[in-house]
Amino acid sequence: QQPVQSPQAVILREGEDAVINCSSSKALYSVHWYRQKHGEAPVFLMILLKGGEQKGHEKISASFNEKKQQSSLYLTASQLSYSGTYFCGTHTGNQFYFGTGTSLTVIP
Amino acid sequence: NAGVTQTPKFRILKIGQSMTLQCAQDMNHNYMYWYRQDPGMGLKLIYYSVGAGITDKGEVPNGYNVSRSTTEDFPLRLELAAPSQTSVYFCASSYFGGQDQPQHFGDGTRLSIL
Repeated sequence: QQPVQSPQAVILREGEDAVINCSSSKALYSVHWYRQKHGEAPVFLMILLKGGEQKGHEKISASFNEKKQQSSLYLTASQLSYSGTYFCGTHTGNQFYFGTGTSLTVIP
Repeated sequence: NAGVTQTPKFRILKIGQSMTLQCAQDMNHNYMYWYRQDPGMGLKLIYYSVGAGITDKGEVPNGYNVSRSTTEDFPLRLELAAPSQTSVYFCASSYFGGQDQPQHFGDGTRLSIL
């Protein structure tokens, strides 16, 4: 049930781009993306809905391929503040499953 | 704006003790969730509620109980604490719980069972 994310970890220099992928074995209606900094709670970034509607963050973009049951999060021109662990998440009925997580570290 | 408030922030329990983790939200959200996050891992759903008086099990409910007597409060009860329940517990809420609604998280309760 848990979505699988790749890569598990990535290290970037400031200004570089990154892509985080999220795959589910279940049919998806929507995909959520959250970022969690060390020692803090997850913070909502974006929701992607079936049909292409997006809700969320202006500086981060994402795609949602319903047929492939996949979503990708695109972080462009990364900043130090982008560091953290990124989780995708999906609903199955009323239950919510977070993905396996991707640790992203941005260095100067 | 308080949002989602969790108490306590930290707690150490002895094996076999019981305790209640408190969660309150002031956003009039219908849906509330309890998650646990083990060190270096993702979040796992323990229980959730779709409204006052209605609760259901999540992925890892064993050893926990919940109640939802009001829209605002969603306490999580640990009975007979075990070392395997050492974790960080997050409460979250969302409006109507629809698949297009973001979840808002509390700051978490860090619980150690010794």
